[in-house]
This record gives sequence, C-alpha cells and structure tokens, in this order.
Amino acid sequence: GQNIDQPTEMTATEGAIVQINCTYQTSGFNGLFWYQQHAGEAPTFLSYNVLDGLEEKGRFSSFLSRSKGYSYLLLKELQMKDSASYLCAVTETGANNLFFGTGTRLTVIP
Amino acid sequence: GAVVSQHPSRVICKSGTSVKIECRSLDFQATTMFWYRQFPKQSLMLMATSNEGSKATYEQGVEKDKFLINHASLTLSTLTVTSAHPEDSSFYICSAHDRGGYGEQYFGPGTRLTVT
Repeated sequence: GQNIDQPTEMTATEGAIVQINCTYQTSGFNGLFWYQQHAGEAPTFLSYNVLDGLEEKGRFSSFLSRSKGYSYLLLKELQMKDSASYLCAVTETGANNLFFGTGTRLTVIP
Repeated sequence: GAVVSQHPSRVICKSGTSVKIECRSLDFQATTMFWYRQFPKQSLMLMATSNEGSKATYEQGVEKDKFLINHASLTLSTLTVTSAHPEDSSFYICSAHDRGGYGEQYFGPGTRLTVT
C-alpha cells in the first residue's frame, strides 16, 4: 500500500517563499509528481522527480530524497494566483497510476 | 502540450438514472486512462484504470457494476454511473497516460455530477 502525507493547509504572504512538504511510504517507488489544482478545476502538472536532488523550474522548485521518502515543493515570489491546492503523487515501478497525497491547500494573503 | 477533454462538464440527474461521462485525449494516443473521484476539499481518489481493448482494473471498494468503464479506442474512455444516488454526487476527473516524456498523466477538466 501507499502512505503519502502532506500538511492540510498553509498560509503565506504575497512575495514570500513557501515550502510544502510531502513524505511517502510505498513499495517499489518509481517517481514523484507535484500538481497544482485550483478549486473546481483539474490538476495541472508542475514537476517530476525521480532522482535525488533539486529540480528548478522558474518560481517553482521540487526536491526529492529517496532514502528519506521525502519531497518538497518550493514556491518563490508568491503571487495571489498561487492560492490553490498542491498535490503530491507517487508512482510505483511497473505501474502507470498515480497515488495522491491528501493535498495542501495554500492561501496567499496580501 | 497534451490535451484531455471531458464531457459533460456539469450534469444533474435524478436518483436511479444513469449518466455517461466521456474522456478524450485530443492530440495523443492513450493506451491507459484513469478515472478519479474527488469530494470537496479532499484529494483525488483513484477509482479505476482503463486499458484500451481490455477490462478496466478497479480499486478496492469501487463497484465495477455500478461504475462501468469502456475504453474502446486509443483516444476515448467512458465512465457510466449506473443507478445514481445522491452519495454519488462528486467531481469526476479522468486522466490519460502519456507513454512519452516523463510518463505523466494529463488531466481532463472534470465533470461535476449532482444527483438529486
């Protein structure tokens, strides 16, 4: 089975930096995805990590430590439009399906 | 980028009726599609994996006779909610697996089902 944990809610200030953590326990870990989901909309792909280390993509970066079963999504220069849910999801070797965490609802305040 | 469409976007039906939701990959072929359900303020729960030309694989606790899945072509999968009840009201989202790239899934815009 899979066990994927994220904080339920976070609040951060516009222009600041926020880190959203994700811990996971799964058999046959293959890779980890981060998705952004605005209310009432479908998730959109943000990043993918399969090797240890940091992947940077503009204002968003994602980090993975396979040995610790840990990832984080880092959002810099927060904007009001970044208010959304951020979903951590893992894939297992030999399977295509995603296993989602509970999601973190981020609220950006002025 | 890859585009996945879903139809309808919203549907209201009466209890006891059936509703069909379509999921299409518009610019790529998807041998595998996934159906998720999402309740308010909760994360996505995988319902089933739909494989082109074969039977769907259902997650534990999902009734295969109630949620009928058909993946008749490489670009279309359908989910039929049979004998719908108010507790089936939810946001249903499909995704299509892209064999290229990272193997990421591209999500459709979702279907809001309300059963009265």
